[in-house]
This record gives sequence, C-alpha cells and structure tokens, in this order.
Amino acid sequence: GNSVTQMEGPVTLSEEAFLTINCTYTATGYPSLFWYVQYPGEGLQLLLKATKADDKGSNKGFEATYRKETTSFHLEKGSVQVSDSAVYFCALSGPSGSRLTFGEGTQLTVNP
Amino acid sequence: DAGVIQSPRHEVTEMGQEVTLRCKPISGHNSLFWYRQTMMRGLELLIYFNNNVPIDDSGMPEDRFSAKMPNASFSTLKIQPSEPRDSAVYFCASTRDTTNEKLFFGSGTQLSVL
Repeated sequence: GNSVTQMEGPVTLSEEAFLTINCTYTATGYPSLFWYVQYPGEGLQLLLKATKADDKGSNKGFEATYRKETTSFHLEKGSVQVSDSAVYFCALSGPSGSRLTFGEGTQLTVNP
Repeated sequence: DAGVIQSPRHEVTEMGQEVTLRCKPISGHNSLFWYRQTMMRGLELLIYFNNNVPIDDSGMPEDRFSAKMPNASFSTLKIQPSEPRDSAVYFCASTRDTTNEKLFFGSGTQLSVL
C-alpha cells in the first residue's frame, strides 16, 4: 500500500536559516505529492503540490520537487521566518477519488 | 467563505460518556473527511463521505465510533462509550475536488476523556 516517511523532528532553526524537511514515499502507480502545513491551533492547509515526475511545487517561498527516481519530495526554503513555525506534513494521493496518505508530520520551530 | 466549522472546540468528558462532534463543511463541497490526530499515531483517516454516502470507514477504530452525514451541510462523529485512549484532536475536512486532493480542514475538536 501507499506510505509516506518524513524526517523525524522536531527541527529548530534560527531565522533566515535554510530549511530542508525530507520526505520519501512508497506508492503504486504515479501519485500526486503534497505538503500540508498546520499552524498552532489550526487545521492543516495545503502548502504546495506536484502531480508528476520532475514537477516543482512552490508557495510562500517553499519549494519541493517530485523525484520519481528517488521517490522523494523534500521540502525546502532558503530563508525561514519565525512565522514559518508549524508542523509540516508530506502526503500523497493514489488513483482518482482515493484518500490522501499523510506522513507523521515534522515540527519546525524558528527562533528569532 | 466561512471555512469548515467544527464544534465544540474543546470537549472534556468522563470515561463512559457519549461524545458527539459536529462538522459543517464548506458549501458546495461534496466530500467530507474525519481525521484523528495523536502524538503516537499522527494523522489517521477515520471515515470519508462522498455526496453524503460513507465511502471508506475502514479507519474507524471500533464499534464505539459512528459517523453520519444526514445532509450536505452537516456531519457528526459519535463515540459511545468514550474511553481515555480516545483523547485526541479530531479534524473534519471537506473538498469539492473530484480527486480528493486539496482538503480544507477545520480547526479541530480537542477531546479529553478522563
């Protein structure tokens, strides 16, 4: 079945540091890949997505590239801000109409 | 748009009591999902509905859990009887995306069973 593995947290960075959160997946077929973000006290919200190999999703300075050869979708940001402190979830979808499979989530804390 | 609305925001109850969680999806969305989030197990899908019909309830932990969607604008998740291990944050999400990929989550219900 489908599964998603994220790097273990928590991750603590200083403001303006470079961020990488690793995500690898196992899936049949060609899934779409996603990053969702959960700010404190809120529900998850979609951050970015990529639907096919070599696609790059981007939003709010975050980027992730769909790497089929390494089955990865690592999240990156060149310069993090305190406001980026949140939990980040990698996810994938299967065939049309099926549910999302989420990773365990990675807690990011950015200190001023 | 008001977003997905869940109530209550917090619920504290005693073991054995019935708990009912409520969700109002975004108008026009035809798929609704119930998730449970815990530190130990992360985010788990409990059940999802499409056009008010339960499609996949394989994530419902046991018979103590039940979910209904009587119409397109309302869903409930009921736990009877509740147990301490049910303590978690319960999220409702909805989408009108036919591939069920872009989900809109509510703010969740923090449930504590003492």
